[in-house]
Amino acid sequence: SSELTQDPAVSVALGQTVKITCQGDSLRRYYASWYQQKPGQAPVLVMYGKNNRPSGISDRVSGSASGNTASLTITGAQAEDEADYYCYSRDISGNHIGVFGGGTRLTVL
Amino acid sequence: HVQLVQSGAEVRKPGASVKVSCKASGYTSTNYGISWVRQAPGQGLEWMGWISVQNDNIKYAQRFQGRVTLTIDPVTSTAYMELRSLRSGDTAVYYCARELPAPGDYPRVDYFYYMDVWGKGTTVTVSS
Repeated sequence: SSELTQDPAVSVALGQTVKITCQGDSLRRYYASWYQQKPGQAPVLVMYGKNNRPSGISDRVSGSASGNTASLTITGAQAEDEADYYCYSRDISGNHIGVFGGGTRLTVL
Repeated sequence: HVQLVQSGAEVRKPGASVKVSCKASGYTSTNYGISWVRQAPGQGLEWMGWISVQNDNIKYAQRFQGRVTLTIDPVTSTAYMELRSLRSGDTAVYYCARELPAPGDYPRVDYFYYMDVWGKGTTVTVSS
């Protein structure tokens, strides 16, 4: 299967911890990458591989993988974390094409 | 400082074609590819295809197969995405992104891919 499944919406209280998940068969074989997108802006890479943060991304953001699930955890959520988050992976078919999850809208209350 | 600079907004009529460019700068290695991703209004990200800068390897999402062509001009470090037979459902923001391979580690030992640099997007509007 080439699908990646995300919860459409998640909310978190200011300062609390939230985990955003992504499920798919390809995640048993490949690490996911995660992208944050704010309204009117291009996506930004926030996590890739087992737990790699690009330069400039807050250390409140961490990643993990287990079985067919990749997770993005934000600790001490801030107002600026409110955004859409997308996971991405190549699929496990012979074509090795790219697939995005449907996205999770994170609301910080 | 790696940058991807995309061409400007386009308006086309149904049935026409559009070609969007994406010029890379600030990076000399060729061990990467350019992916094209689109986002229709109010919708999520949709992967369209990928072209290697290093060789002739190209991949297309099945739903665009036959309608999209990805090319690269190595002299100018510019990637192009041409979409043909446009319809209203193709109205979207089209992004290019540098996609890099990285080695996995146990138990996910295969190479995985991630997009670390994105263009600002090109709005394509299809309307009669």
